[in-house]
Amino acid sequence: DTEVTQTPKHLVMGMTNKKSLKCEQHMGHRAMYWYKQKAKKPPELMFVYSYEKLSINESVPSRFSPECPNSSLLNLHLHALQPEDSALYLCASSRRISGEALETQYFGPGTRLLVL
Amino acid sequence: QQPVQSPQAVILREGEDAVINCSSSKALYSVHWYRQKHGEAPVFLMILLKGGEQKGHDKISASFNEKKQQSSLYLTASQLSYSGTYFCGTETPVAGGTSYGKLTFGQGTILTVHP
Repeated sequence: DTEVTQTPKHLVMGMTNKKSLKCEQHMGHRAMYWYKQKAKKPPELMFVYSYEKLSINESVPSRFSPECPNSSLLNLHLHALQPEDSALYLCASSRRISGEALETQYFGPGTRLLVL
Repeated sequence: QQPVQSPQAVILREGEDAVINCSSSKALYSVHWYRQKHGEAPVFLMILLKGGEQKGHDKISASFNEKKQQSSLYLTASQLSYSGTYFCGTETPVAGGTSYGKLTFGQGTILTVHP
């Protein structure tokens, strides 16, 4: 099973709202990722968690707050977003991150976010 | 730094072949190829590690020239299901050794296969 699940599929929020995106995998993967993808653009890396610890933050604004409560779950907490934050948010996981080359990243279906 | 893909778009008839190139200005650790259909998540196709290997399954194969910092994806006898946007993702060694995990995607190549 190479499934990564994400909820919700769609989310509409106002600029003053607080919401969370959820990502789950049960493949025993120890690396999890958040990407942001705008229409007709490639995915852009936001955060990387390795063994439940944040290892990469790509200078993402603090209105995005990631959390990895356990090895299967990854959350992205959203607060005071701007309309330009509207995008497809993709979660991915891979077996691990080591000093060797990256392993296959498996993507979830994404959450399509609209900020009004 | 973002790898550069070429061409930006390809239109094919079923059964025709296509090549998509991915080029980086930096030394590469690995190259990952994905296909994304409209409104869906990227789907993994294959990984190539430094060493100049060539991989393939079914009618899709890829090569990786470490010295030239380039990879090419070969699609032969294309099928309608091959339509989508193809992304290469490159991994470059990061100074300090603590930031492994970063995959940077090219801008994508839109492949359209017509009957």
